[in-house]
Amino acid sequence: NAGVTQTPKFQVLKTGQSMTLQCAQDMNHEYMSWYRQDPGMGLRLIHYSVGAGITDQGEVPNGYNVSRSTTEDFPLRLLSAAPSQTSVYFCATRREIYGYTFGSGTRLTVV
Amino acid sequence: EDQVTQSPEALRLQEGESSSLNCSYTVSGLRGLFWYRQDPGKGPEFLFTLYSAGEEKEKERLKATLTKKESFLHITAPKPEDSATYLCAVRWETSGSRLTFGEGTQLTVNP
Repeated sequence: NAGVTQTPKFQVLKTGQSMTLQCAQDMNHEYMSWYRQDPGMGLRLIHYSVGAGITDQGEVPNGYNVSRSTTEDFPLRLLSAAPSQTSVYFCATRREIYGYTFGSGTRLTVV
Repeated sequence: EDQVTQSPEALRLQEGESSSLNCSYTVSGLRGLFWYRQDPGKGPEFLFTLYSAGEEKEKERLKATLTKKESFLHITAPKPEDSATYLCAVRWETSGSRLTFGEGTQLTVNP
């Protein structure tokens, strides 16, 4: 039982490149979400999904795209990377009363 | 408008010196206040969920309490291994499954 698995752990991109951050869970949780964490700004919600085929925007969705074709996977796509997207990205699933289960994060640097 | 505010930003304690961290919130219709611990380079780890004013939860040296406007995380006789960033988050009646996080309190416990 791996919980929430994020890959890669580290990534360096050049401005304008695209990439996909992977998130997989083995807990059969319906709700999955992506957050970014920046110094002095806390964790901010990018996109979330309440089940396969259903996604919605969080508070900072611009420049990111998501899809949810299965319960297990919730990839986050950066369409054209910008230096402002340098951050640590966390994927999280939700289980009622137990709060969220977070992955270990992807540290992204855009140069 | 900030919905979740944590204080202090940083706290340095001596081993055995008890203290409290604060999380104040301004949302209406609270549906849960969550405390997490985050170690450097890792994702947040769930500690407690509180739902109603007057509720208390305990785990080892940690005790979380909730009023109508704020929550406290009391740390009794802390040890160096309690050093981490402590995050609080809230869910309210119109937020669905989404959580809004505070910026966290970085706790350092010196031996």
